[in-house]
Amino acid sequence: QKEVEQNSGPLSVPEGAIASLNCTYSDRGSQSFFWYRQYSGKSPELIMSIYSNGDKEDGRFTAQLNKASQYVSLLIRDSQPSDSATYLCAAADSGYALNFGKGTSLLVTP
Amino acid sequence: ETGVTQSPTHLIKTRGQQVTLRCSSQSGHNTVSWYQQALGQGPQFIFQYYREEENGRGNFPPRFSGLQFPNYSSELNVNALELDDSALYLCASSGRTGGWNEQFFGPGTRLTVL
Repeated sequence: QKEVEQNSGPLSVPEGAIASLNCTYSDRGSQSFFWYRQYSGKSPELIMSIYSNGDKEDGRFTAQLNKASQYVSLLIRDSQPSDSATYLCAAADSGYALNFGKGTSLLVTP
Repeated sequence: ETGVTQSPTHLIKTRGQQVTLRCSSQSGHNTVSWYQQALGQGPQFIFQYYREEENGRGNFPPRFSGLQFPNYSSELNVNALELDDSALYLCASSGRTGGWNEQFFGPGTRLTVL
């Protein structure tokens, strides 16, 4: 069973703070990792992809991957109320399917 | 660049009926994947189509079937609807842009089975 685990939250952070979202995965064959943002009632939106160990930065977002620990994280700097959403972590092996976690709910308070 | 589109937006059916959901892939993408997302859960992979062939399937029964057309658009068909089929059905396209596995979702179809 290829499992992706996330803390369901809610994670509450004040505006301007750093939000840290974490994810672990069970399948050591996973090669690609993705973070999606999903607003209530909307579809998931791809915000980050990461394939190699280390950090990948894109604007206020930094994805971190540690394959030895089977751990992926997403940091959101200078969090804004508009960042309040559910963040889905997904892992894929060399095949075709994305395996998603249940998501972490993030609430950024003004 | 045209994004992924899905129709209809919402659908209400009764148990035992059949439903067809439609998806048009993003411009330049040749692969379509379908996911089911129940309330409070992450999306679950149903199947993927590439070059009009099923390219992989998740843990869904045969009453979930699909098609891909030469223009890369796709249909998801569900027969003998059950109450548990009530969910958000998401279509995602992938292909030449970005990484091979980068999948971009459409707005989804909300299916309610009564």
